[in-house]
Amino acid sequence: GAGVSQSPRYKVAKRGQDVALRCDPISGHVSLFWYQQALGQGPEFLTYFQNEAQLDKSGLPSDRFFAERPEGSVSTLKIQRTQQEDSAVYLCASSFPRGGKRSYNEQFFGPGTRLTVL
Amino acid sequence: KNQVEQSPQSLIILEGKNCTLQCNYTVSPFSNLRWYKQDTGRGPVSLTIMTFSENTKSNGRYTATLDADTKQSSLHITASQLSDSASYICVVRFLTGGGNKLTFGTGTQLKVEL
Repeated sequence: GAGVSQSPRYKVAKRGQDVALRCDPISGHVSLFWYQQALGQGPEFLTYFQNEAQLDKSGLPSDRFFAERPEGSVSTLKIQRTQQEDSAVYLCASSFPRGGKRSYNEQFFGPGTRLTVL
Repeated sequence: KNQVEQSPQSLIILEGKNCTLQCNYTVSPFSNLRWYKQDTGRGPVSLTIMTFSENTKSNGRYTATLDADTKQSSLHITASQLSDSASYICVVRFLTGGGNKLTFGTGTQLKVEL
């Protein structure tokens, strides 16, 4: 595809439900990131994959949040037993690293999934 | 914790006017500083990326400046258009403890009116 796609675009869940959010990165992009963006705030890092390896999950707010990328392309962010504070836009981004810590590694973002927990 | 702060929080200007958005960060060294534009309901789109050794970078009507000594960056928008209405987010990639992570500011919400 031409860009990063995410589905669903909108999700309403009752408190306690489990949800799964999908991200399709740009074809060939090695790196994939998940961010959480609360209303009126900037995105906050959740987790990072390089191919299928989850190299950093330090931003996941609790053990109810789980992300996977089993084949190194599509990724799923799962939230178990959703709570009202989980309501936010969940953004996915991908990049093709050009090598080295000082590389630009521009990230391309998807449109996000807006999750509302009632 | 690394901090990226932006001002003003929101701004309304008339079409055709110029404006400048500010970004201050509190921790260095950093790898690069980026400005993103985020339209309502969309993901952020990169406008400029500057390394610590660059002072200015332009992209059409957008010009970003960086002063690594004062840890300040600005985004100047020239001859604003209605389509410039969006949130503008300053993003810093720090070298320490961040690996490949980016730290985002809270954004400046810009509205361009007729």
